[in-house]
Amino acid sequence: QSALTQPASVSGSPGQTVTISCTGTSSDVGAYNLVCWYQQHPGKAPKLIIYAVNNRPSGTSTRFSGSKSGNTASLTITGLQAEDEGDYYCSSHTRIPSPHVLFGGGTKLTVL
Amino acid sequence: QLQLQESGPGLVKPSETLSLTCTVSGDSVSSRIYYWGWIRQPPGKGLEWIGSIYSGVTTYYNPSLKGRVTISTDTSKNQFSLRLSSVTAADTAVYYCTRDTGSGGTNDYWGQGTLVTVSS
Repeated sequence: QSALTQPASVSGSPGQTVTISCTGTSSDVGAYNLVCWYQQHPGKAPKLIIYAVNNRPSGTSTRFSGSKSGNTASLTITGLQAEDEGDYYCSSHTRIPSPHVLFGGGTKLTVL
Repeated sequence: QLQLQESGPGLVKPSETLSLTCTVSGDSVSSRIYYWGWIRQPPGKGLEWIGSIYSGVTTYYNPSLKGRVTISTDTSKNQFSLRLSSVTAADTAVYYCTRDTGSGGTNDYWGQGTLVTVSS
């Protein structure tokens, strides 16, 4: 069982908007603005697409955005494209019982 | 351009120690800005953070690995290493080395990953 909870799968048609949630607790997601999102395509290493809740690294499409409310963070993808299909993982910093990083179980995004 | 490359045995026997090395080019493992870390992914499963090292001295480990992990650096070779002791089949995974910006586990660069299988 993963420390952060994500839906196992989401889907959408090209052009649509999808949102992936990431639920933690008041000791991790709710405590720090240190949520990241990673995109992973089959056989490839994960790629950072959002950091510090809602910041995009250079090169990340503006179609990707992040947000957080309480203990739940969200990744929103607008204008869905076929290339967005893949697995998405959230992560969060925590200090309980010592500083470390928690990951969500991952969400499989299917573009219909 | 920063590049990270994992290396090490692809097969380890149960109860033995898994050892991997990450060679860094384009940055220094002695950096006082970045952390250097390890993350793993069992086949068909999700990501698990293993730990990281800062400035060659300060280490942070996943509490769930219960003291089996050691991360260290070799500044002369610009490498950092992972040792995981007393391995079982549950430690079979693709192991990635990463650069962490220091902002709570923001891993902005990843190696390609290396599969380590634990089996007799």
